[in-house]
Amino acid sequence: SQELEQSPQSLIVQEGKNLTINCTSSKTLYGLYWYKQKYGEGLIFLMMLQKGGEEKSHEKITAKLDEKKQQSSLHITASQPSHAGIYLCGALKGGNKLVFGAGTILRVKS
Amino acid sequence: DVKVTQSSRYLVKRTGEKVFLECVQDMDHENMFWYRQDPGLGLRLIYFSYDVKMKEKGDIPEGYSVSREKKERFSLILESASTNQTSMYLCASRAGAYGYTFGSGTRLTVV
Repeated sequence: SQELEQSPQSLIVQEGKNLTINCTSSKTLYGLYWYKQKYGEGLIFLMMLQKGGEEKSHEKITAKLDEKKQQSSLHITASQPSHAGIYLCGALKGGNKLVFGAGTILRVKS
Repeated sequence: DVKVTQSSRYLVKRTGEKVFLECVQDMDHENMFWYRQDPGLGLRLIYFSYDVKMKEKGDIPEGYSVSREKKERFSLILESASTNQTSMYLCASRAGAYGYTFGSGTRLTVV
């Protein structure tokens, strides 16, 4: 079973709409990473969160880590076709290994 | 910017062949990693290395080995390729507490 559960597995949204992707762990998260992947390509680093309650934004993407450090959300405002791809959350395990959720496939309809 | 380069984007090999996947990073990072990615399973760690000639098994090391003779290069070896090793392989490197930088991936098909 996945140590990190991502939801939803896939998402289709109309261009301009907002959306949220969640990443949940049964254990405390020490270092939560969000990546984006275009189909067939490598991962692009988006953000890293470490502190409970931390929130970071880059352009129209905002990521939050809850106070208990067991859940993170990624929110996209006014989605665009360029946001389409696979979003993956990752968390540090054993200090140095990054383990990932199964990913969320996002499609944006024009 | 850190660059992680994987030698092949696409590779087709026959069952039983010995396969080498190469990864090179240009930023003197100590830590390097090999993952495979499969639909519905996300990325799973195969092996990682925290220094030259040092290696540790990840979550799914069976059927794989690795080599790190130089700091910048981390090779993944499939001793005898099988069809269930058809996958996307991703290499990453990391320095200290910062994020991982990934290569573009190698899509391997074993026929």
